[in-house]
Amino acid sequence: GAVVSQHPSRVICKSGTSVKIECRSLDFQATTMFWYRQFPKQSLMLMATSNEGSKATYEQGVEKDKFLINHASLTLSTLTVTSAHPEDSSFYICSASDRYEQYFGPGTRLTVT
Amino acid sequence: DQQVKQNSPSLSVQEGRISILNCDYTNSMFDYFLWYKKYPAEGPTFLISISSIKDKNEDGRFTVFLNKSAKHLSLHIVPSQPGDSAVYFCAASVRGDDKIIFGKGTRLHILP
Repeated sequence: GAVVSQHPSRVICKSGTSVKIECRSLDFQATTMFWYRQFPKQSLMLMATSNEGSKATYEQGVEKDKFLINHASLTLSTLTVTSAHPEDSSFYICSASDRYEQYFGPGTRLTVT
Repeated sequence: DQQVKQNSPSLSVQEGRISILNCDYTNSMFDYFLWYKKYPAEGPTFLISISSIKDKNEDGRFTVFLNKSAKHLSLHIVPSQPGDSAVYFCAASVRGDDKIIFGKGTRLHILP
């Protein structure tokens, strides 16, 4: 099946710094990519939807200036957590859609100290 | 407002028995339902799906049942195996809309 990768798989950063997470579709062109966040013992929460070459659509309550999403090509989307704080610590998962199916990446564990 | 609800946060089942995971939804526009399995620190993996025109879909040990009038679906795993221990997410979407709405998940423990 289709493969979606995320990098890094795990990152620890200091409070106030920014961290970038990459999501790549390895063997298909993703018309749409999604970013999810999962809190412990909670559901996957959709943060934003991005279409290649256009601005991301953020879900209600998600700060677009804090979670910057760039979808520069049909195979790459990035999520940058700016001025990270401990409450941003979470598991971030991306998915990529080829219009027929949605494929999930392995996730990135972000810990902000 | 939670549109997809999994009211059991955890479930323990003896190996070899049937595991039944339940899910309820509130949005009558949903017409496509999915189940995902997730291990710790990994992304969810797709298990099985069902369209609203069906009431049952079977794939090997996994069967999903849909009761549209009750807005309820369930995932049956039989026989349950140790490798089935994971968190199972019920999800729903409207066909043509890429958004998938997830439930909170149910942690399944398969007991030896």
